[in-house]
Amino acid sequence: EPEVTQTPSHQVTQMGQEVILRCVPISNHLYFYWYRQILGQKVEFLVSFYNNEISEKSEIFDDQFSVERPDGSNFTLKIRSTKLEDSAMYFCASTELAGGGDTQYFGPGTRLTVL
Amino acid sequence: GDSVTQMEGPVTLSEEAFLTINCTYTATGYPSLFWYVQYPGEGLQLLLKATKADDKGSNKGFEATYRKETTSFHLEKGSVQVSDSAVYFCALLDTGRRALTFGSGTRLQVQP
Repeated sequence: EPEVTQTPSHQVTQMGQEVILRCVPISNHLYFYWYRQILGQKVEFLVSFYNNEISEKSEIFDDQFSVERPDGSNFTLKIRSTKLEDSAMYFCASTELAGGGDTQYFGPGTRLTVL
Repeated sequence: GDSVTQMEGPVTLSEEAFLTINCTYTATGYPSLFWYVQYPGEGLQLLLKATKADDKGSNKGFEATYRKETTSFHLEKGSVQVSDSAVYFCALLDTGRRALTFGSGTRLQVQP
């Protein structure tokens, strides 16, 4: 069964460094997403991406964040200058169709630790 | 704005007990509703969904009915197993939006 994959599973970085989290969505899916879950808190939406541009973003997704689909398979989240509060589990998701009510399929997550 | 409220956990049950995890929501449109499950060390997996009022989602013995009048989507299972131990998240997708809104999650522990 096709699945969303994410690399790395765990990333440790120093405050102020740039990180890139990678995701490979399910191959025929059209919408891609990033969510994050700070330890002990809710899963929060960051951004959605469709047709090579951001479709929707939350207030969390400020200028320090960017997303890109650099090729036909990868979808990346870049944090330009990490802060301690960026430590969280980051989940990538994808959806096959463009309509409402579509199921978002999630990857296993990347745990980001900022020291 | 949209919100989802779940019962606090952890919920601890003996094997074969009946499970209910309460979920209520607030939304401006006509949302679709989801239950996701997160097993230890794994990502979020869709458990079931319902896209309109009175729909019942079901999977692996779990059920939830979309109740518009009470804005609820409670998760139930008649007989839980140790393997059901996980964190369960209720979520909604509001009309015309792309962003899932999640509840805080409820940890279920099933003891043999």
